[in-house]
Amino acid sequence: SAVISQKPSRDICQRGTSLTIQCQVDSQVTMMFWYRQQPGQSLTLIATANQGSEATYESGFVIDKFPISRPNLTFSTLTVSNMSPEDSSIYLCSGGAALSGELFFGEGSRLTVL
Amino acid sequence: GQNIDQPTEMTATEGAIVQINCTYQTSGFNGLFWYQQHAGEAPTFLSYNVLDGLEEKGRFSSFLSRSKGYSYLLLKELQMKDSASYLCAVRDLFGDSNYQLIWGAGTKLIIKP
Repeated sequence: SAVISQKPSRDICQRGTSLTIQCQVDSQVTMMFWYRQQPGQSLTLIATANQGSEATYESGFVIDKFPISRPNLTFSTLTVSNMSPEDSSIYLCSGGAALSGELFFGEGSRLTVL
Repeated sequence: GQNIDQPTEMTATEGAIVQINCTYQTSGFNGLFWYQQHAGEAPTFLSYNVLDGLEEKGRFSSFLSRSKGYSYLLLKELQMKDSASYLCAVRDLFGDSNYQLIWGAGTKLIIKP
């Protein structure tokens, strides 16, 4: 199994600012993903974090708004840029190995944008 | 297109049995997952099916029929702590080691005494 740590766990941010969320995995995983979850809703995939190269973004998400880094197998960051109240959400980091059946999640980062 | 359907909400009684269904239409298939998510917490893994049939794990069982694009999660001897959202997700492989999970919207299960 893998333990995934995220920080910050929560933050209150001002409109127009940017915030970087860090994700650390305690063991090597092949895949790392960033999700967003609005209250009461299911998970929305933002992007797949690729080691040493640009992330692969889902439709509706762009690098300028959500820059992602993954310098090694066990660490990734997601930045929410130029935040607006619509960006208020829970952001979840997840990771898993390609051939195993399980995807592990961090505890999430709850962002509130005023 | 990619589509996963599951009921939005279900209600059951403590001690009873409940079955949560999931149907899927995806371009590829390499396994179906069930996750449990309590309010305000991250999802946690419950089960993984890649072959047809029933996988049993304690009070929880998961069934898969690939030909029908159908799965269900069966919860027995329901406890109040089972009140949570249950997420169905299908994995699609790309290349040798890349994959993507396609998620259903989740089923909110309410357990009543």
